[in-house]
Amino acid sequence: DAGVTQSPTHLIKTRGQQVTLRCSPKSGHDTVSWYQQALGQGPQFIFQYYEEEERQRGNFPDRFSGHQFPNYSSELNVNALLLGDSALYLCASSPAGTSGGDYEQYFGPGTRLTVT
Amino acid sequence: QKEVEQNSGPLSVPEGAIASLNCTYSDRGSQSFFWYRQYSGKSPELIMFIYSNGDKEDGRFTAQLNKASQYVSLLIRDSQPSDSATYLCAVRSDFGNEKLTFGTGTRLTIIP
Repeated sequence: DAGVTQSPTHLIKTRGQQVTLRCSPKSGHDTVSWYQQALGQGPQFIFQYYEEEERQRGNFPDRFSGHQFPNYSSELNVNALLLGDSALYLCASSPAGTSGGDYEQYFGPGTRLTVT
Repeated sequence: QKEVEQNSGPLSVPEGAIASLNCTYSDRGSQSFFWYRQYSGKSPELIMFIYSNGDKEDGRFTAQLNKASQYVSLLIRDSQPSDSATYLCAVRSDFGNEKLTFGTGTRLTIIP
């Protein structure tokens, strides 16, 4: 049973560039959440996708956008990169049919983004 | 006041002893509570979750929840060097509110 997968593992970008990160949820999961984890901090919620729509959004600017595909995989896009966007980007998936109910989120290995 | 607070540590515990990790939260309406373990350079791994007041045991781990005191803890019995990691407490405020709010984590070191 494949867990949550993310690509790429590491990425180095220059300020002002754009980046796309990818995530495939755990088998049987239909909901994908994205988090940003800066060094020494806990993960911060960016947004969540369910049924190909953004269901909830954290306190992140519009430079952060996403998409979910019919196979439940998801992308996180960040435009006009800033040095402060350097972080570990985590994707988490949760089980199908969990809208409004209890569930647990399982994290992928993350993408380490460095902005220079 | 931070929404989820943890002592950043480091917390040092001798091998074989009980490690006690604590977390407080500010939203009294919070419903679900999670403990994640994160090794250096790796992603968080879910180890325990608890929804009801009281204790929940899973192997060497026990989660304790006291909603009246807005307090959740994790006990690790018979601590092993492999338990050395950062432990993240996460809270979900209510059903239908999907985001997890994390503390900054407690760094635990088990001393052989």
